[in-house]
Amino acid sequence: DAGVIQSPRHEVTEMGQEVTLRCKPISGHNSLFWYRQTMMRGLELLIYFNNNVPIDDSGMPEDRFSAKMPNASFSTLKIQPSEPRDSAVYFCASSETGMGRQYFGPGTRLTVT
Amino acid sequence: QQPVQSPQAVILREGEDAVINCSSSKALYSVHWYRQKHGEAPVFLMILLKGGEQKGHEKISASFNEKKQQSSLYLTASQLSYSGTYFCGSLVYGGSQGNLIFGKGTKLSVKP
Repeated sequence: DAGVIQSPRHEVTEMGQEVTLRCKPISGHNSLFWYRQTMMRGLELLIYFNNNVPIDDSGMPEDRFSAKMPNASFSTLKIQPSEPRDSAVYFCASSETGMGRQYFGPGTRLTVT
Repeated sequence: QQPVQSPQAVILREGEDAVINCSSSKALYSVHWYRQKHGEAPVFLMILLKGGEQKGHEKISASFNEKKQQSSLYLTASQLSYSGTYFCGSLVYGGSQGNLIFGKGTKLSVKP
């Protein structure tokens, strides 16, 4: 199994640009999570999907952030417009159930200048 | 609502033992433990579901005291490979099912 796949691995963009992060969960997993990790705030849950439906998006910082899961094998996290404070490592994780073991992808390191 | 981990950092010599604690102000349904090495993604260690339950992974074990709303991770006879940051994640009663809230982490350094 290839594990959770994320792309791109690194993204450098200028303030105001749109950024789209992509995630392919492990086949057969029905829960998908987006996390953001910074030194200051640690590992924060942004949004959680179950069977492609957003269940909890209380961690999404503001309207500039949006996430979709059009099918069981693909999810996107979009930031529009991006700001320097969005610089972080963004992880996608999947699990068989919402409360079970989570498998993390390698992460996308986002730098907004 | 974020669980509190202690200590924040610990330095060990190979072969020494360590304990990492995780406590919550809310009633816990379960506790997850993950380890993250520098520049890598968090990797699952174990889940604890019941009060008093203990689980093991390598020479790493954990306990969960539901009444005290806390969990402890025990690292025995530490190896160089144990170095990394350890996170506990809590699922609380009344929260949404997948809302795993992570503590700030405990950085463990094992020296030869």
